[in-house]
Amino acid sequence: NAGVMQNPRHLVRRRGQEARLRCSPMKGHSHVYWYRQLPEEGLKFMVYLQKENIIDESGMPKERFSAEFPKEGPSILRIQQVVRGDSAAYFCASSPPWGTNTEAFFGQGTRLTVV
Amino acid sequence: EDKVVQSPLSLVVHEGDTVTLNCSYEVTNFRSLLWYKQEKKAPTFLFMLTSSGIEKKSGRLSSILDKKELFSILNITATQTGDSAVYLCAVSHQAGTALIFGKGTTLSVSS
Repeated sequence: NAGVMQNPRHLVRRRGQEARLRCSPMKGHSHVYWYRQLPEEGLKFMVYLQKENIIDESGMPKERFSAEFPKEGPSILRIQQVVRGDSAAYFCASSPPWGTNTEAFFGQGTRLTVV
Repeated sequence: EDKVVQSPLSLVVHEGDTVTLNCSYEVTNFRSLLWYKQEKKAPTFLFMLTSSGIEKKSGRLSSILDKKELFSILNITATQTGDSAVYLCAVSHQAGTALIFGKGTTLSVSS
């Protein structure tokens, strides 16, 4: 039973390019949470999705960031026109349909570097 | 504003020492407090605490919550080099979907 899978593990983008981060939840999990960890900072909540629905995006920057969790396939966190300040580790967590954020398992993260 | 503060930010100890990590919080409608261990990869779950005064224990690690004083401690006895990691404290509240994390305590155990 594979855990939460994130890819790529490392991503380098030039300023102005787009970054796409993928998260495949654990088998049977239908809830996905995205967190961002800036250097020397704790994890900050970004968005909570269920299949085909954004439930809570209160932590998402208003511009350039979007997330989706389609009926089929992984959840995608998309960052358009990346800037240096977007460099961070992005973690995804998933929980089962009956679960909450406290029953979520984390993936290994994608480290985004903007050059 | 909800916040979680961990102390110390970093700690260096020798193998065999006992360490205590602290986590204080200010959260509306508190539900639970969680501890994670992060070793350059996925944060892995250690404990979830919901009730005051009840110690949770797993091997050499233990944790307790004080809901009156709004803090928790994580104890590690007889530390080993494999305990070197960042220890994260997070809090959830009743109606929220987000976990609120502290900045973490970086523990380094030298042999």
